[in-house]
Amino acid sequence: KAGVTQTPRYLIKTRGQQVTLSCSPISGHRSVSWYQQTPGQGLQFLFEYFSETQRNKGNFPGRFSGRQFSNSRSEMNVSTLELGDSALYLCASNSGSPTYNEQFFGPGTRLTVL
Amino acid sequence: KNQVEQSPQSLIILEGKNCTLQCNYTVSPFSNLRWYKQDTGRGPVSLTIMTFSENTKSNGRYTATLDADTKQSSLHITASQLSDSASYICVVWRDTDKLIFGTGTRLQVFP
Repeated sequence: KAGVTQTPRYLIKTRGQQVTLSCSPISGHRSVSWYQQTPGQGLQFLFEYFSETQRNKGNFPGRFSGRQFSNSRSEMNVSTLELGDSALYLCASNSGSPTYNEQFFGPGTRLTVL
Repeated sequence: KNQVEQSPQSLIILEGKNCTLQCNYTVSPFSNLRWYKQDTGRGPVSLTIMTFSENTKSNGRYTATLDADTKQSSLHITASQLSDSASYICVVWRDTDKLIFGTGTRLQVFP
């Protein structure tokens, strides 16, 4: 069974631009969660989607948004990029509730904002 | 305040030696606690998941313990290997589907 895939793996943008990241979960998994990882803050939860609906949301500004498609693939969008948005963005999928089921992480997208 | 604190921040050991990583949490209500291993530049990989009622869980050379009374968990690595060099992250899930991450312990294993 193929793992979680994320595209692109690396991305360089400038301040003020917007970016869209993509995540394809493991086949059959309906829950996709997004995380931001920085050296200073560690891993932080962005949001979780289940069956095309946002089920949980972390404490990030509205510039961070996401969506999930009917095939469970998910996209994350960051508008008006800031230098502080430079980070590794990880997505994880699981079969049901991430609270009770094992999450499988993708390799991440490394975003650099110049 | 819901927090997860890990110690030490970094650790260097020689190949073949054992080590123990610590995780103290103040998260409430508590659903489960997980340990992840993250290699540089890669996504985290789950090592163990423990609920409130579980005291010990093993995954090969990795053994996690949980003391729900003192809100402490530890991850013990036996007979370390060079491939154990990674960051180890403790994550506590609240019942409300909110998760709290520790900042991780960076382990380096030298030959």
